[in-house]
Amino acid sequence: KQEVTQIPAALSVPEGENLVLNCSFTDSAIYNLQWFRQDPGKGLTSLLLIQSSQREQTSGRLNASLDKSSGRSTLYIAASQPGDSATYLCAVTVNQAGTALIFGKGTTLSVSS
Amino acid sequence: DGGITQSPKYLFRKEGQNVTLSCEQNLNHDAMYWYRQDPGQGLRLIYYSQIVNDFQKGDIAEGYSVSREKKESFPLTVTSAQKNPTAFYLCASSIQGTGEQYFGPGTRLTVT
Repeated sequence: KQEVTQIPAALSVPEGENLVLNCSFTDSAIYNLQWFRQDPGKGLTSLLLIQSSQREQTSGRLNASLDKSSGRSTLYIAASQPGDSATYLCAVTVNQAGTALIFGKGTTLSVSS
Repeated sequence: DGGITQSPKYLFRKEGQNVTLSCEQNLNHDAMYWYRQDPGQGLRLIYYSQIVNDFQKGDIAEGYSVSREKKESFPLTVTSAQKNPTAFYLCASSIQGTGEQYFGPGTRLTVT
């Protein structure tokens, strides 16, 4: 059964620092991988989607990489800002589009000014 | 604006009562999903539907029911059989092809 793990569970950094969030999954047979952001009490905002055939995706200060063979993905945040403080969730889809996501428990990021 | 709406934002019920959570999307997505989020447990799948009039159970379907009569709507009923219904409920829909999922703002259900 596919399991998704995110390390660390919490991270505190000063403003301006570059940082990396880690995600690992046990079965490399994924269809895609998504990174989300969740603010307290809110829904999830999709940040980046990486298809199984892709190695990375970029959006602004965010860069996500995917290494299917090792079962790992990283989310790189450049020049962090206090507004980046949130919980970041990694999730994978197995089999095909239209099937459900399997989530990690998230990394809660706090960026201090 | 295209998106997913969930109502209400907060819902309070007495134990033993059934309650229905609304989820509507105007993104023209075929697939829709219901997840439950509890502190420290992450999101878990309750039900999903890939097409109108069809749906599949997720990992924690016991005590819940759904319907999919219209493409835009996927309501979730929390029945009195659900042992621990207090949670944050999230609805999502996804694009065909890429499978990218988009989420609604959530409904926080409290049962006392």
